[in-house]
Amino acid sequence: ILNVEQSPQSLHVQEGDSTNFTCSFPSSNFYALHWYRWETAKSPEALFVMTLNGDEKKKGRISATLNTKEGYSYLYIKGSQPEDSATYLCAPFQGAQKLVFGQGTRLTINP
Amino acid sequence: SAVISQKPSRDICQRGTSLTIQCQVDSQVTMMFWYRQQPGQSLTLIATANQGSEATYESGFVIDKFPISRPNLTFSTLTVSNMSPEDSSIYLCSVIRTGTNYGYTFGSGTRLTVV
Repeated sequence: ILNVEQSPQSLHVQEGDSTNFTCSFPSSNFYALHWYRWETAKSPEALFVMTLNGDEKKKGRISATLNTKEGYSYLYIKGSQPEDSATYLCAPFQGAQKLVFGQGTRLTINP
Repeated sequence: SAVISQKPSRDICQRGTSLTIQCQVDSQVTMMFWYRQQPGQSLTLIATANQGSEATYESGFVIDKFPISRPNLTFSTLTVSNMSPEDSSIYLCSVIRTGTNYGYTFGSGTRLTVV
């Protein structure tokens, strides 16, 4: 069973502050890492797909980095806004056409 | 990318009853996936539904408890049978987004509470 860990599980950040959280996964048989944002009462929304060691992706104030050799990815949010409040999920793809998700980091932005 | 309509969006059910969740995709897809998220837990794969064959269940999930139908390439149902409070979860269907290294498009989810 693939072991995917995200930390912290929960995070409260003041509006305007920057924050980051971690996804750890087995480094063997790695193909890709997916990040999703899941807002309450909505579908999980794809943020990034990362495949190469050292990859860095950016979407507005959100960015992510990938280290496939040591098996981790960081997600950064710069200048947090209330609309960033969501659960952020990571899922490495390692074959068998299915994603295995971490528990998620529940982010709450305090105005 | 595909658009998935999932219903119901939420329900409160009595223990011992069954609930069927439906997912309709606006394009033909080979595989559909059913996930659940119990409170405080990760999204966990229940089964993979293929058109024309029986669903493939993950360890810990059985067909008697979670029967799945896949009558065509755009539709699938998941039934949660003989429900208990432990079945209270968010249930999601998903399909693979082409050209995304197996990224998913998700339905909007069904929030189930069993009382």
